[in-house]
Formats: sequence, structure tokens, C-alpha cells
Amino acid sequence: AQTVTQSQPEMSVQEAETVTLSCTYDTSESNYYLFWYKQPPSRQMILVIRQEAYKQQNATENRFSVNFQKAAKSFSLKISDSQLGDTAMYFCAFMKPSFSNAGGTSYGKLTFGQGTILTVHP
Amino acid sequence: NAGVTQTPKFQVLKTGQSMTLQCAQDMNHEYMSWYRQDPGMGLRLIHYSVGAGITDQGEVPNGYNVSRSTTEDFPLRLLSAAPSQTSVYFCASSYTGGTQYFGPGTRLLVL
Repeated sequence: AQTVTQSQPEMSVQEAETVTLSCTYDTSESNYYLFWYKQPPSRQMILVIRQEAYKQQNATENRFSVNFQKAAKSFSLKISDSQLGDTAMYFCAFMKPSFSNAGGTSYGKLTFGQGTILTVHP
Repeated sequence: NAGVTQTPKFQVLKTGQSMTLQCAQDMNHEYMSWYRQDPGMGLRLIHYSVGAGITDQGEVPNGYNVSRSTTEDFPLRLLSAAPSQTSVYFCASSYTGGTQYFGPGTRLLVL
């Protein structure tokens, strides 16, 4: 079974600074997906960024980028120019594609880490 | 396009009562799933479905039933509520490539 570990229960950062959230995972699979989800106080789960394991290039989405180290099984999230709206719980998640339909679409079960609470201070 | 919707938003039950948490999506996604979120434990998979008529258990299925009669709907039934089922419940549906889209959650309190 896969496990996902987020070793930082809480982090804080000043507005406009950069912060990195850590995530490690354990798997014997070679084909998988990794995700970072954000959960603000509203409780809505929002996808931040997605990485496919077979792609060597690190994913980026505006101010959010990842450092994907496949051999080390590490998947950290860097938030640049932090904003007050970034205050949230952040979850790292792992998915091994386990099902596919006739069109070749792949799905799988998500395994989540415990989460990191990020607070951005003005 | 409403995405993934869940009802109710909040519910209080007494021990032993039963209820159904509703989940619907209008994106024609084949894969749907239910998670519970407890403090310090992230989200844990309860049940999932890869299409109408097909369901399977996740990590914490005990005390919960599901069915999938249509692509759009995936209700979660609590058969006999227990205080240990106090949690926040999320429904999600998935498009190609594994990205799951979540509903707004249902907060359940079992007394």
C-alpha cells in the first residue's frame, strides 16, 4: 500500500516571501500521479498542482511549483510571493492509475498525507 | 455547470439513526468516490465507483453503504450512526488523468 507523509504539521510565512512544503511518499510503482490540494477555511478542496511521474519536468502553476525527486520519492510544493489568500491546509496526495475505460482514461484511488497548515502573515 | 454538489451541508444525528448523504455531479465523470476527513488524518477513502452499477470498498468502509444507479449520483448511506462517524464527508469525481474534483463537504455530528 502506498503511504504519503507530510512532516510539517504547521508552517508560517510573511506575505510576499517564499515557502516550501514537504511531502514524501512510499511506493513500488513507476507510473503514478502526485497532487497538491489546498483547503481554505471554507473547507473546499481545490487542486493546486498535478505531476505525472513519467514527466521529468517539474510542474508549475503561476506562483506554485513543485520539486519532484522521483528517486528520493519526494514531492515538495514551493509557493512564491505568498499572499494572504494562500492561508489554508495543504494536502499532498498520491494516485496509482488502477482503472481505465475503453477510451484509455485512467483513474485511481487517492492516498492523502496528513496535511500542513500554512499561515501567511501580513 | 454545477460541478460536484453535496447535501446536506450539516447534519446532526443520534446514535443508531440512519441517513443518506447525497452526491451528484454534472460533468459525466465515470469515477466517483467518498472520503472522510478527521483531524490529523487527512482524507481517507470510504467507497468508490468506476461507473454505474460498479462500486468497491476503500480504506474505511465499515458502517457505510453505497450504490451507483446512474452516472450522476453516488449516495452514501450510514446504516446505524455511531459517534465514531462524526466527521466531514467529501464526495469527488474524476476526469481523465486522475484529477479529482471535490464537492463542498458535509459536516456530520453523531451524538
